[in-house]
Amino acid sequence: GAVVSQHPSWVICKSGTSVKIECRSLDFQATTMFWYRQFPKQSLMLMATSNEGSKATYEQGVEKDKFLINHASLTLSTLTVTSAHPEDSSFYICSASPSTSGGREFFGPGTRLTVL
Amino acid sequence: GENVEQHPSTLSVQEGDSAVIKCTYSDSASNYFPWYKQELGKRPQLIIDIRSNVGEKKDQRIAVTLNKTAKHFSLHITETQPEDSAVYFCAPRGNFGNEKLTFGTGTRLTIIP
Repeated sequence: GAVVSQHPSWVICKSGTSVKIECRSLDFQATTMFWYRQFPKQSLMLMATSNEGSKATYEQGVEKDKFLINHASLTLSTLTVTSAHPEDSSFYICSASPSTSGGREFFGPGTRLTVL
Repeated sequence: GENVEQHPSTLSVQEGDSAVIKCTYSDSASNYFPWYKQELGKRPQLIIDIRSNVGEKKDQRIAVTLNKTAKHFSLHITETQPEDSAVYFCAPRGNFGNEKLTFGTGTRLTIIP
C-alpha cells in the first residue's frame, strides 16, 4: 500500500511560537493532500485541502492565517501552526490518495502537538 | 455539506460474538464508503470499503453492506477478537479523487474476553 509519513511525530512548544509539520508521500505523487485535526475522544475534523502549486482550501471556521499550508512539490505538504496557543494542542494527521488507489485515502502517522 | 452519523457511539461485545456499526449519511451523491479502524494514538487504517455499484462486500471476518436508497451503510465484524477493540469511523465521500472524506462521530468497540 501507499506510504505517507509525517514529521515530527510529536512536538512540545511554548505558547506564541510557530510549529511546522511535514507530510510526505513516500512512494507516490500527490497533487492533493488533506490535513485533519483530532481532539481527544473525538472524530477527525478536516481542516484544509492542500493543493500542489496553488492555495489551500480551508474548511469553515479554520483560520487560514493561523494554519499556513504550503504544498510546493508533489510529495510534500507542510502545515505551520503560527502563534500556537494551548487550545491548538491536538493530534494533526495528513492524508493523501494515490491516483492508482481508486480513491483510497492513506493517512500519515500523525503529529501530537502540545502547546504549553 | 455531508452530515454523517454513526450508531452506536459505544459497543461492548463478548469475544466471539458479532458487532454491527451503522453509518447514515445525507449526500445522495456519495459513492465511496470506507470504514477505518483507529487504535489509540495511531493513524486511521482502512479496513474495508465499498462503492455505490455494489451492495455488499466481505473480507474474512469483516463485511460492509450498503443501502443507497436509505443512505446508510454498515460494518459487520464476526467472530470478534480482543484485537478488534478500537474506534471505528465511517467516512463517506462523493467522487473519489480529490473529494474530501467526511468522518462520522466514531464508535468505540470493546471486545470482552
